[in-house]
Formats: sequence, structure tokens, C-alpha cells
Amino acid sequence: SQQGEEDPQALSIQEGENATMNCSYKTSINNLQWYRQNSGRGLVHLILIRSNEREKHSGRLRVTLDTSKKSSSLLITASRAADTASYFCATGAGGSYIPTFGRGTSLIVHP
Amino acid sequence: DAGVIQSPRHEVTEMGQEVTLRCKPISGHDYLFWYRQTMMRGLELLIYFNNNVPIDDSGMPEDRFSAKMPNASFSTLKIQPSEPRDSAVYFCASSPDRGVSNIQYFGAGTRLSVL
Repeated sequence: SQQGEEDPQALSIQEGENATMNCSYKTSINNLQWYRQNSGRGLVHLILIRSNEREKHSGRLRVTLDTSKKSSSLLITASRAADTASYFCATGAGGSYIPTFGRGTSLIVHP
Repeated sequence: DAGVIQSPRHEVTEMGQEVTLRCKPISGHDYLFWYRQTMMRGLELLIYFNNNVPIDDSGMPEDRFSAKMPNASFSTLKIQPSEPRDSAVYFCASSPDRGVSNIQYFGAGTRLSVL
């Protein structure tokens, strides 16, 4: 299975702190995506990193990809209460490029 | 564009009843996906369509579930008869065919409760 597994399952931090979430997967991928899901809402795409890329930034988000370790990390800097959500990684591989989602990390940012 | 639109947002029904969930994808998107999300099993892909044609329905749990896409702007997921274990949030997502990556755009979901 290409399914990514996020770690930790839950993370609780104070506003202003950085939050780091990890995703591990089992086989080779073409790309890896991170999504956010706010309570009671659908998933929202945050960032996509291709297998030939090592790092990408988007605002306060920083994503790294280590294909040798089959892992990715999502760093949210200077977190805000509004960052409280679940974060999912989704791996894409094979000719169909249909992403496969992990179980997610639940992030709580306390104001 | 208004994004992916799902209806209803909430559905409460009794066991044995037929349930129909509806989805309008983003105009111009070639792929449409149906997912089910529960605490126990996470996000499960049920079925997906490409250009209105079902490509992979291996995630559909059993024959009580069926999905159709009669045209590019509408899809339904039907459960008949419904059972309490079908209670979950059902998401529809659409995606453009961009070759290298398929970023998915999700609807707000339908929360189904089967009593």
C-alpha cells in the first residue's frame, strides 16, 4: 500500500510555537501532498512536493521530503489558534497518480 | 467557481431506508471521487470516475452501495438499504487532469446518521 502514516496522531501546542508533523510511506512515490481539514469541513490542499524536490515553502508552511527514508515533514511556524485542524499527507504513485491518504495528525493550538 | 457542492449537508435516516447523496464537481474537472470518513477507518476511497466513467470501485463496501455520474456536472452515491454502520461523513472531491499530480478539491461533506 502507498498509504502514508502521519506521526504523531495528536499534537497540542501553544500559539506562537512551531508544529512539526511527519509522514512515512512504504514504496516509491511520484509526489506527496499535505491537506488540512478543519472540524466539520472537507480537506483543503496545502502543498505538493514532487519526488525530485527536497523542500518547499508556502507562507508559514515548510515541507521536506526525504525519499531515501521514505518520509516527509510538515512544519508550521509561529502557529496560530486558527491552525487547529487535522493534517493529512497523501502519496501519489503509479500511472494513475490518484493520491492515497493517511490517517492524519490532529493539531490543537492553544491561544 | 463555487467549489465542489454536496447535498444534503446532514442526513438522518432509519435503517433500511434508501439514501442518496449528491455532488456537483468543479466545472472542467475530469476526475470525481467519493470518500467515506470515520474515526475508526479514517478516509476511505469508495469509487472514482474519469470523464464520467467509473474507473475503480474496489472501495465500495458492498452491493448496497452504488454510484453514478450521468454527466460531467453531477454524481450520486446511493445506499440501499442503509444500515447503522453506514453512519459516517461522505465526501465528494474533484480533480483536474494535470498529468503529474492530481490535487483534489473536496466538498464540505454529507454527515449521514443511520438510526
